[in-house]
Parts: sequence; C-alpha cells; structure tokens
Amino acid sequence: GENVEQHPSTLSVQEGDSAVIKCTYSDSASNYFPWYKQELGKRPQLIIDIRSNVGEKKDQRIAVTLNKTAKHFSLHITETQPEDSAVYFCAPKRAPGGGNKLTFGTGTQLKVEL
Amino acid sequence: GAVVSQHPSRVICKSGTSVKIECRSLDFQATTMFWYRQFPKQSLMLMATSNEGSKATYEQGVEKDKFLINHASLTLSTLTVTSAHPEDSSFYICSAREVLAGKVTQHFGDGTRLSIL
Repeated sequence: GENVEQHPSTLSVQEGDSAVIKCTYSDSASNYFPWYKQELGKRPQLIIDIRSNVGEKKDQRIAVTLNKTAKHFSLHITETQPEDSAVYFCAPKRAPGGGNKLTFGTGTQLKVEL
Repeated sequence: GAVVSQHPSRVICKSGTSVKIECRSLDFQATTMFWYRQFPKQSLMLMATSNEGSKATYEQGVEKDKFLINHASLTLSTLTVTSAHPEDSSFYICSAREVLAGKVTQHFGDGTRLSIL
C-alpha cells in the first residue's frame, strides 16, 4: 500500500513567520494531493488540494507545491497566526482506481507562538 | 453545503458492550462511505470502505467480525464495535463520498470518541 510520511512531525514558529510541511509518498500513480487541518477532537478539514497536472496552487496565505518526479508535495503557510495551530495531514490519492481511498500521512503538529 | 452527521459524538461504556455509530449524509447520496480510527496523537487509519448494498471492504488487520459495517441505504452507514474492550477506545470518524458534476469530494463527520472502561 501507499507509504506516506510527513516532515517535520512537530513545528513551532513565531506568529508572522512562515511554515513549511513536506509530504513524501510512495505510489507513483497518485494524482490527487490534498492537505487537511485537524484541530483537537475535531474532524479533518480540507484546506487546499492540487492535482498532478499542476505544479503549484495558492489560496491567500496557503500554498501547495508538487514535485511528482521526486514524489513529494509541500504545504506552505505564510504570515502564520495562532489559529493556524493544529495538526496537518497530507493524504495523497490515486484516482481513478485505488478504491478512492485517502491514505493519511503521519501528521505534523504546528504550533504558532505569540 | 454538504454535511455528514455522525452520532453519537461521545460514548462511555463498560467492557463487553457493543456500540453502534451512525454516519449520515444529510443532503446528498453516498454510495461509498469510509470509516477511520484515530488513536491519540496519531494519524487517521482507514478501517474499511462501506459500499451501499454490498459487503464492506476491510483494510488489512481489521477484524470484520469485530467491526460490523452496514450500509443499507444511500444516506446511512453504521459501524458496530462488538464486545468492545479498553483497547478499542479511540476516535472513530466516518466520511462520505459525494460525486457532483464529475467532481468527487469526501465529507467527514465530527467523529465519535469511544471510551471503554
């Protein structure tokens, strides 16, 4: 099955700084690359996604970059705010096929300090 | 927008009890739903894929007789943890797959925190 790892596992930044989380996956057939944010005890929420025909996508302070050759994609958060503190998961997927299953990464705990 | 309702949100019960968790898609039909389990400070692990009108597909290492899944309608899937023990204590989350105008989206429920005493 898909092997998905994230780095770092924890990340602490000062408010206003940038944060970058990297996701490495093993299935070269993956073609959909989302990032989820999960606050403690709550559901994961999709914050941004990218498909394999695009190298970069930006939505206000959040961006995702994809390197399909190297099989990794990254989440970039600029001008971080305390409310960005949460656990972030990548979940690459193969579609069609692959059973539409999301395989969640190992997770990154982001803490934005005042 | 599309909403998935998961119930109950919290369960505390004695060891040996069976617990049923419901996952409903409120304003769309979902032929496929997914059940995840998340232990503290860990990732979401897919347990099984629930298919309307047919048997669920379980991931490797998940006991189908322990975790019974029923997807009898296009808007409801249930997960029953049979004879639950303390090691089954976890956060269980469902998601429902919506297909609209060719776009596929997974909508997550709010999760159920299960505590077995």
